Amino acid sequence: DTAVSQTPKYLVTQMGNDKSIKCEQNLGHDTMYWYKQDSKKFLKIMFSYNNKELIINETVPNRFSPKSPDKAHLNLHINSLELGDSAVYFCASSQVYSSNQPQHFGDGTRLSIL
Amino acid sequence: QKEVEQNSGPLSVPEGAIASLNCTYSDRGSQSFFWYRQYSGKSPELIMFIYSNGDKEDGRFTAQLNKASQYVSLLIRDSQPSDSATYLCAASSGSARQLTFGSGTQLTVLP
Repeated sequence: DTAVSQTPKYLVTQMGNDKSIKCEQNLGHDTMYWYKQDSKKFLKIMFSYNNKELIINETVPNRFSPKSPDKAHLNLHINSLELGDSAVYFCASSQVYSSNQPQHFGDGTRLSIL
Repeated sequence: QKEVEQNSGPLSVPEGAIASLNCTYSDRGSQSFFWYRQYSGKSPELIMFIYSNGDKEDGRFTAQLNKASQYVSLLIRDSQPSDSATYLCAASSGSARQLTFGSGTQLTVLP
């Protein structure tokens, strides 16, 4: 059973389009995250949600809008896609919102902007 | 700006040798440290975490933490070709309760 699952796995689209990525965790965790990994492999936090509430919103363009309908789901909607948005986006979860908690990652969504 | 620094490598070791991966962090408030392994095209996978100064061993893996020097390391004993991957170091600060990742060290274990 997949613990943290993301869809789609691959997303190829044109500049200016709007797209969404979905994430679900079946671990019963309270906290979920979105990370962006660029071509240099840097994993950078974008958003963090705890029990459906936004906790962390790093310096991310407001074209990116997360939404958590319940604590098992955290989706990411991106408006007006730009070339620089090409990256791998990882969803992750941790049991509680604590600095001591390890995070479990989904398989990633590879976004390519043409 | 809280940073986590790693040598990007590539680091090559022969099969059976000890691989040593190093990481430094800038935030003295960091309390927890994590090592993730990431195979090419795959997601990061937790290998070890350490909170206290000293060594922590789990099978072939040993994590070492020195808070005074702001230094974390991961030793892999009896390295296998299947250990070839990028290893990501992450530090978690108590106040921000988020992970800051290094850029990773690419390890290649040569058969």
